[in-house]
Amino acid sequence: SQTIHQWPATLVQPVGSPLSLECTVEGTSNPNLYWYRQAAGRGLQLLFYSVGIGQISSEVPQNLSASRPQDRQFILSSKKLLLSDSGFYLCAGHGGRAGGTQYFGPGTRLLVL
Amino acid sequence: LAKTTQPISMDSYEGQEVNITCSHNNIATNDYITWYQQFPSQGPRFIIQGYKTKVTNEVASLFIPADRKSSTLSLPRVSLSDTAVYYCLVGLYSSASKIIFGSGTRLSIRP
Repeated sequence: SQTIHQWPATLVQPVGSPLSLECTVEGTSNPNLYWYRQAAGRGLQLLFYSVGIGQISSEVPQNLSASRPQDRQFILSSKKLLLSDSGFYLCAGHGGRAGGTQYFGPGTRLLVL
Repeated sequence: LAKTTQPISMDSYEGQEVNITCSHNNIATNDYITWYQQFPSQGPRFIIQGYKTKVTNEVASLFIPADRKSSTLSLPRVSLSDTAVYYCLVGLYSSASKIIFGSGTRLSIRP
């Protein structure tokens, strides 16, 4: 099965600062990868997904971006954080076959002040 | 993508059986139905997946009627540790597939 690694676990950043969150995957090759954000007490909002190296689909227009420089690496970035970027960020992987399931990382809690 | 509808919240007591129903009227022929469980400050965790009829594993059962327009997650003899948010997802999950979560059902178990 897949293992999703994310770091850091917690991050406090000032408004206007840059952001880089990294996600790496073990146990599978060529997975579909996803970034979700979850506000307190709310559901998961899909931000980006990727079906391969360099292939990124954006779901929500915002000041965030994603990149996939390697097969098992997915990076979420921002040049200038906003207060509204605060939340719980989750990376997930999926084997990309019908009937498969997603595996989630431990998440990064981001607080923008 | 098939839209899903679940109750926002449910309450039950320890030792009871809990059934959470999800409606997915626009499910496609090749779509699978998957349920996840999420605890606070953790990522969702896979519970069970099915295509039709009934699926059972060590933690839950999934009942899917013949028309597949709904599904019911059944948790036998719940405990306090089953307090969580439960998400129903419908999709093919094949290559080039985006996976969108609904609002989920917040299940609270009381002693």
